[in-house]
Amino acid sequence: GAVVSQHPSWVICKSGTSVKIECRSLDFQATTMFWYRQFPKQSLMLMATSNEGSKATYEQGVEKDKFLINHASLTLSTLTVTSAHPEDSSFYICSAPTGGVNTEAFFGQGTRLTVV
Amino acid sequence: SQKIEQNSEALNIQEGKTATLTCNYTNYSPAYLQWYRQDPGRGPVFLLLIRENEKEKRKERLKVTFDTTLKQSLFHITASQPADSATYLCALDKGRGGFKTIFGAGTRLFVKA
Repeated sequence: GAVVSQHPSWVICKSGTSVKIECRSLDFQATTMFWYRQFPKQSLMLMATSNEGSKATYEQGVEKDKFLINHASLTLSTLTVTSAHPEDSSFYICSAPTGGVNTEAFFGQGTRLTVV
Repeated sequence: SQKIEQNSEALNIQEGKTATLTCNYTNYSPAYLQWYRQDPGRGPVFLLLIRENEKEKRKERLKVTFDTTLKQSLFHITASQPADSATYLCALDKGRGGFKTIFGAGTRLFVKA
């Protein structure tokens, strides 16, 4: 099946620094990718939709200046957490649908971010 | 308000039995509903998709039903095995047939040998 690779799988950073997370579709092109955040024992919360060649669209309550998304190619989307704080510590996951509407999405393995 | 509700309590069953997980939703009109499996520290893995005009879908030991009147989906694992122990997430499209997928909080399943 389709593969979505996410990197890094975990990262620890100091408060105030920025962290970039990459999401790649390895064997298909993804004009759209999604970024989620998941706190322990909670649901995946959709943060934003990454659109190739255009601006990302953010869900209500998600700060676009804090979570910068770039979708520069059909196989790569990046999420940068700027000026990270301990409350940004979470599990970040990307996904990409493989084709037309009503299709399954493939998920990356997730990135565990810890801000100290 | 819009909600996707899954039983937050863990489900404990004996190996060989059928596990049944429930997903209820309110104030959505999904074109399809999906079930995913998530293991600790990993991203979700797709299991099954069922469309609004389908009542039931099967895949090996898995069966999903979709009742748009009750706004409910049931997910069954027959002949359950300890390896089936995981969190199972219900998900549906946020906007009619669109790509955006919204998830329930998941139900943790433990299958005892």
